[in-house]
Amino acid sequence: AQSVAQPEDQVNVAEGNPLTVKCTYSVSGNPYLFWYVQYPNRGLQFLLKYITGDNLVKGSYGFEAEFNKSQTSFHLKKPSALVSDSALYFCAVRDIPGRHDYKLSFGAGTTVTVRA
Amino acid sequence: DGGITQSPKYLFRKEGQNVTLSCEQNLNHDAMYWYRQDPGQGLRLIYYSQIVNDFQKGDIAEGYSVSREKKESFPLTVTSAQKNPTAFYLCASSRGQGDQETQYFGPGTRLLVL
Repeated sequence: AQSVAQPEDQVNVAEGNPLTVKCTYSVSGNPYLFWYVQYPNRGLQFLLKYITGDNLVKGSYGFEAEFNKSQTSFHLKKPSALVSDSALYFCAVRDIPGRHDYKLSFGAGTTVTVRA
Repeated sequence: DGGITQSPKYLFRKEGQNVTLSCEQNLNHDAMYWYRQDPGQGLRLIYYSQIVNDFQKGDIAEGYSVSREKKESFPLTVTSAQKNPTAFYLCASSRGQGDQETQYFGPGTRLLVL
């Protein structure tokens, strides 16, 4: 099975500063990687995904993520954070690509707090 | 959350009681999933279904049951055998046509034990 790790439980940044949320993965084939965001007591919202091609993926709400194969990382970034970006962020990887169940394995999540 | 509805938003279960969580989608997706979310543990897969009348156990299926009689609906029953049911339950769906497909999530149901 594949796995992802989010090494930071919490990230705190000031509004207007760059935001980075880290994710590393472990897969045995081509990685399919996803980022989701969750606001309190809500479902997960899809931000972006990496399938193949350009290593810099752009997504919703000004977020982007950089795929780095040599470092097996897929860090989420935003150049200028907003207070409204405060939420719980999940990285996920397709579990066993090619097997037709399309399961996702999720990281434990990173809580982002953006202070005004 | 658009396209996937879950009800109720909050659900209370008494000791020994079975309860059913509803999940409906109008996205015409073939695949549907149930996840359980506990603080600090991310999401864990309970059951999934790739097509009507077929479903498979996920990583933590014990104490749960599902059915998939209609494409749009994938209800989850938390049985009395599930000894620690307090959690946030999330339903998701996808087109189910490849590894690149995105899963979309409903708003969730929070289950509490009385």
